[in-house]
Amino acid sequence: GQQVMQIPQYQHVQEGEDFTTYCNSSTTLSNIQWYKQRPGGHPVFLIQLVKSGEVKKQKRLTFQFGEAKKNSSLHITATQTTDVGTYFCAGVYNQGGKLIFGQGTELSVKP
Amino acid sequence: DAGVIQSPRHEVTEMGQEVTLRCKPISGHNSLFWYRQTMMRGLELLIYFNNNVPIDDSGMPEDRFSAKMPNASFSTLKIQPSEPRDSAVYFCASSLGGYDGYTFGSGTRLTVV
Repeated sequence: GQQVMQIPQYQHVQEGEDFTTYCNSSTTLSNIQWYKQRPGGHPVFLIQLVKSGEVKKQKRLTFQFGEAKKNSSLHITATQTTDVGTYFCAGVYNQGGKLIFGQGTELSVKP
Repeated sequence: DAGVIQSPRHEVTEMGQEVTLRCKPISGHNSLFWYRQTMMRGLELLIYFNNNVPIDDSGMPEDRFSAKMPNASFSTLKIQPSEPRDSAVYFCASSLGGYDGYTFGSGTRLTVV
């Protein structure tokens, strides 16, 4: 079935180090979205990628969508303690269809 | 805009009792989603509505779960009878047409003892 795999499950970094989480689907996605969930909070929408090969940036965050629209990545440069949380990718297989979430990557940042 | 509003925030109930979770989506959003989050299974889509009509309920675990959306500003998720394995955080989310990012509510933490 439609499934989005995300790795790693956990990532512990020292403040100032970079962080990357990867998302993969066995079938082509219509688009992919990224969310952040702080401990005890709810998922908050970060960005949506639609086009093949698309790259978007939000300050220290860089989002990429693969050429085949089957994989995506989120890279954070020079992590800060405020980046702590779980980052989810979520794929849409049919335009306007349901969002399937990956398992998430929990990021902890040591000051 | 107050965002997506869910109630109650916390619910503790005994096994066998009926539980009703409520959601008010963002005004103007025409898609509404119910998700369940657990450590073991992550974020699971239970059901979603477009223009108040249920489109896909394949994620609803079993007949004990039911959801309704009587109008554009209100939805309920009911569990009857509840079981301990239903303990989870239940999120409601809404979006405009399902093409944009979802806005999640703060969730209802359900504990069934």
